[in-house]
Amino acid sequence: EAQVTQNPRYLITVTGKKLTVTCSQNMNHEYMSWYRQDPGLGLRQIYYSMNVEVTDKGDVPEGYKVSRKEKRNFPLILESPSPNQTSLYFCASSFRGLTEAFFGQGTRLTVV
Amino acid sequence: TQLLEQSPQFLSIQEGENLTVYCNSSSVFSSLQWYRQEPGEGPVLLVTVVTGGEVKKLKRLTFQFGDARKDSSLHITAAQTGDTGLYLCGVDSSYKLIFGSGTRLLVRP
Repeated sequence: EAQVTQNPRYLITVTGKKLTVTCSQNMNHEYMSWYRQDPGLGLRQIYYSMNVEVTDKGDVPEGYKVSRKEKRNFPLILESPSPNQTSLYFCASSFRGLTEAFFGQGTRLTVV
Repeated sequence: TQLLEQSPQFLSIQEGENLTVYCNSSSVFSSLQWYRQEPGEGPVLLVTVVTGGEVKKLKRLTFQFGDARKDSSLHITAAQTGDTGLYLCGVDSSYKLIFGSGTRLLVRP
């Protein structure tokens, strides 16, 4: 079954404690991206990757890092989380450019 | 200013009614996507429209891309409770997939 898998689904952490949210896709897609979804602000892109070892900033990259060492995986790293990073995060992958994206089920992160 | 403006923001209707939601922009796009997001889940692609004036049907859902490729509409005929969700339009803008803020639809039984 074609899917994008994120882990964990839920995470509560404390300010400053480094964390990684994993994302894996089994569709051999070249393009992957991360979004955060906040009430009233919609889905905003954090980072995207056009292929292995090729990443670029989206609209809200501050406080986040990503890596793309393998085609299937695109982890999101928060080196020093802060409460304003409390949000619902989605990973997505796509075949043609960044359109027609397939989304993971989301990770609800709370930073206290 | 948002690149994509969706309206209305919220819509609550009775089962069986028809509705239309809109996605508007001042920019021209090569294609536009519509997604539906259910509570606790990620958005799921419904359709991609590519050609100006194009109309696509997906069962009771009808999607239209404006002639000038700046706007789109989604019409639902005889809405069902299963249509409840957040409807998002999205476009590719310089390798970034940009979304509108969505229309939250509630279909009451």
